[in-house]
Amino acid sequence: GIQVEQSPPDLILQEGANSTLRCNFSDSVNNLQWFHQNPWGQLINLFYIPSGTKQNGRLSATTVATERYSLLYISSSQTTDSGVYFCAVELNYGGATNKLIFGTGTLLAVQP
Amino acid sequence: DAGITQSPRHKVTETGTPVTLRCHQTENHRYMYWYRQDPGHGLRLIHYSYGVKDTDKGEVSDGYSVSRSKTEDFLLTLESATSSQTSVYFCAISRTVGNTIYFGEGSWLTVV
Repeated sequence: GIQVEQSPPDLILQEGANSTLRCNFSDSVNNLQWFHQNPWGQLINLFYIPSGTKQNGRLSATTVATERYSLLYISSSQTTDSGVYFCAVELNYGGATNKLIFGTGTLLAVQP
Repeated sequence: DAGITQSPRHKVTETGTPVTLRCHQTENHRYMYWYRQDPGHGLRLIHYSYGVKDTDKGEVSDGYSVSRSKTEDFLLTLESATSSQTSVYFCAISRTVGNTIYFGEGSWLTVV
């Protein structure tokens, strides 16, 4: 099956620092989304980004589908950015189902 | 925030008993999903629904059944709970395929 690998697995930042999280996937996909799970367990959708670049405030994401990777950029990190960041993809089998396969996540801790 | 309510939010049950988790949405989204989250495995799809009475299996469907008799409700049933089904269960919705997925707040289930 498809492999979805995220790096780094863990990351510690000082408040105000920038970071880049990476998601590699092993097969062609027609759907890629980034999620943030906060320390209370809530999952928030950050980006729906099967290709191209999007920005939302301090966060931005880029997906290069032809090279099978996506990047999530966090600028000027804040303590509220702490949590786990998941990348999730849907395989491209010719028909869309929204059946997402999740990576194992990047655990981010932002220290004051 | 997407209007998704999961119930119960926390439950402890004994091995061999039936358990039903409910997901209720007020967004009139067509697609609904049940995921489980376990340490070391990330989020895995159990079952999903693409319309009233239309459901399909995900990657970890053994031991689970689902029903969707109304657009707004998607039920997940463990016919005879086992300790391996101790997990956090997330409901999710999306308007269409190839679209953003929104998660509920999760249901913590412990099988003793």
